[in-house]
Amino acid sequence: RKEVEQDPGPFNVPEGATVAFNCTYSNSASQSFFWYRQDCRKEPKLLMSVYSSGNEDGRFTAQLNRASQYISLLIRDSKLSDSATYLCVVNPWEGDSNYQLIWGAGTKLIIKP
Amino acid sequence: EAQVTQNPRYLITVTGKKLTVTCSQNMNHEYMSWYRQDPGLGLRQIYYSMNVEVTDKGDVPEGYKVSRKEKRNFPLILESPSPNQTSLYFCASSDPMGYEQYFGPGTRLTVT
Repeated sequence: RKEVEQDPGPFNVPEGATVAFNCTYSNSASQSFFWYRQDCRKEPKLLMSVYSSGNEDGRFTAQLNRASQYISLLIRDSKLSDSATYLCVVNPWEGDSNYQLIWGAGTKLIIKP
Repeated sequence: EAQVTQNPRYLITVTGKKLTVTCSQNMNHEYMSWYRQDPGLGLRQIYYSMNVEVTDKGDVPEGYKVSRKEKRNFPLILESPSPNQTSLYFCASSDPMGYEQYFGPGTRLTVT
């Protein structure tokens, strides 16, 4: 079993719709969680951190479910510019540093006009 | 402008010919890291460095070397490249807690 698993997609979603996808992780001791966005052939960029209490940034909401060991990303009112691959990232260590992150393979999202 | 730069961006080489991919950051970050990204797999860490002269192996270090003689630079060295090292490589840097990783634009390497 992979340490961090994501549905590769693609998720084909009409513009304006709401879309959500999950990421499961295997290490219950994991401490830090992030969503990164990666455009085609470009470098990943931090989208948002995932806190225990959840995190909302505009149209994006991230949630953590420790009991079931998954994090989720919800995108409301999707825009064409949201088309990208979304990478789930987990810090599996109990320490504070995020030096050795575990990366999911990503979920590809395509927003259609 | 805060950035991480990598060179070259694209490289086609032959098996066994030593190469170096440079990485430089201007954010005075202590932590730097190299990843490779292959289709269907997540980013896999090759090596990382927590400060000058401090480097450590990541998940897939075989066939790679690194050095950290200066804080801003973290070159990746392939002494004898092989076709299974064909991949997209990213350099990243971050503050000491690693809260946000800043990535370079990537180097697409093909080894024939």
